[in-house]
Amino acid sequence: DADVTQTPRNRITKTGKRIMLECSQTKGHDRMYWYRQDPGLGLRLIYYSFDVKDINKGEISDGYSVSRQAQAKFSLSLESAIPNQTALYFCATRGVQGYTFGSGTRLTVV
Amino acid sequence: AQSVTQLGSHVSVSEGALVLLRCNYSSSVPPYLFWYVQYPNQGLQLLLKYTTGATLVKGINGFEAEFKKSETSFHLTKPSAHMSDAAEYFCAVSELDNDYKLSFGAGTTVTVRA
Repeated sequence: DADVTQTPRNRITKTGKRIMLECSQTKGHDRMYWYRQDPGLGLRLIYYSFDVKDINKGEISDGYSVSRQAQAKFSLSLESAIPNQTALYFCATRGVQGYTFGSGTRLTVV
Repeated sequence: AQSVTQLGSHVSVSEGALVLLRCNYSSSVPPYLFWYVQYPNQGLQLLLKYTTGATLVKGINGFEAEFKKSETSFHLTKPSAHMSDAAEYFCAVSELDNDYKLSFGAGTTVTVRA
């Protein structure tokens, strides 16, 4: 099993729908992150969490929310999806040895 | 504040030729610097990182990078390109003052010509 697992791998949804992207990890790390990747923009930080009770906004949090259900689980929600949220989304954890990234969720909003 | 600039969004090299990907950063404190690679339809894989110590850092797959503080650069090189090096490469910076959150460059796509 992967250290950081993201589900689903691919998703197509309609404008206005609510959607949740899930991330789980087996690294035992406290710190977890959600990034989105867009062509020509690299990866940008959406939200991050230092533990279950500590949630912080990143540079592009508008239109997103997160939930840290447990140390191992960190979910990203789009309350009302819009087309410009079409992107590749990555979850990551950070420990002493550095970052571990999931394989990504490719989200398309039509 | 930390930021990263990667010069050149696309680089095309011949198989066996030198690969050079440029990265410049800005940071108010000593940075940690990283290069990640993303193969098609895959996640990010760490190539190498600089934290402290020796400024020439060797990574996986024959890549290396040199931290030059005076030039605020962390360029990535590989002496001889292989077809399997075709991928997107990201330079990233983190710093203690920003709790080591990663800031990424826009990425450079490398194509390798036979």
